[in-house]
Amino acid sequence: TQLLEQSPQFLSIQEGENLTVYCNSSSVFSSLQWYRQEPGEGPVLLVTVVTGGEVKKLKRLTFQFGDARKDSSLHITAAQPGDTGLYLCAGATFSGGGADGLTFGKGTHLIIQP
Amino acid sequence: SAVISQKPSRDICQRGTSLTIQCQVDSQVTMMFWYRQQPGQSLTLIATANQGSEATYESGFVIDKFPISRPNLTFSTLTVSNMSPEDSSIYLCSVASGARGAKLFFGSGTQLSVL
Repeated sequence: TQLLEQSPQFLSIQEGENLTVYCNSSSVFSSLQWYRQEPGEGPVLLVTVVTGGEVKKLKRLTFQFGDARKDSSLHITAAQPGDTGLYLCAGATFSGGGADGLTFGKGTHLIIQP
Repeated sequence: SAVISQKPSRDICQRGTSLTIQCQVDSQVTMMFWYRQQPGQSLTLIATANQGSEATYESGFVIDKFPISRPNLTFSTLTVSNMSPEDSSIYLCSVASGARGAKLFFGSGTQLSVL
């Protein structure tokens, strides 16, 4: 069974601060995705990282895939109240082919206070 | 990406009754999935809805409790049968896209409360 451990599970910070969310596993993933979910909505895909060591930026969000493709991080610079939400990482494996090999972390609840 | 319409968005049901959730996609997709998200928790895959064959259920989920239909490539339903308060949860349908189907797009979910 593949597990994705996310930390912290909960984070409440002030607007303008920086933060990092971690997603760790002992398993190797073919790719890793980050999703954000707001209350009353389904998760929305933010980014997919595929190559070990890959770094992707989405405005103030920086995503990194570990060299060994076992872990990932999400760094938010100058957090804003609109960043509030549940952040989920999900690792994909293709032993069977397709998204049935997608494993979700437990999520990080992020609250940005104005 | 795909646009996914899920309904109802929320419902309050009595113990012992059943609720059918519908999921409509704006394009034909091969793989559709049903997830459960319990309050404050992450997503747990219930089953993969296969067009033209029976759904594939994950460990801990059975067809008698969560029957699924997939009559065509754009539509699926999930029924939560003989409900109990423990079934109170958000139920999400999703479709796979991207290379080898690794990206998921989700409906807005159905918030189910069982009294």
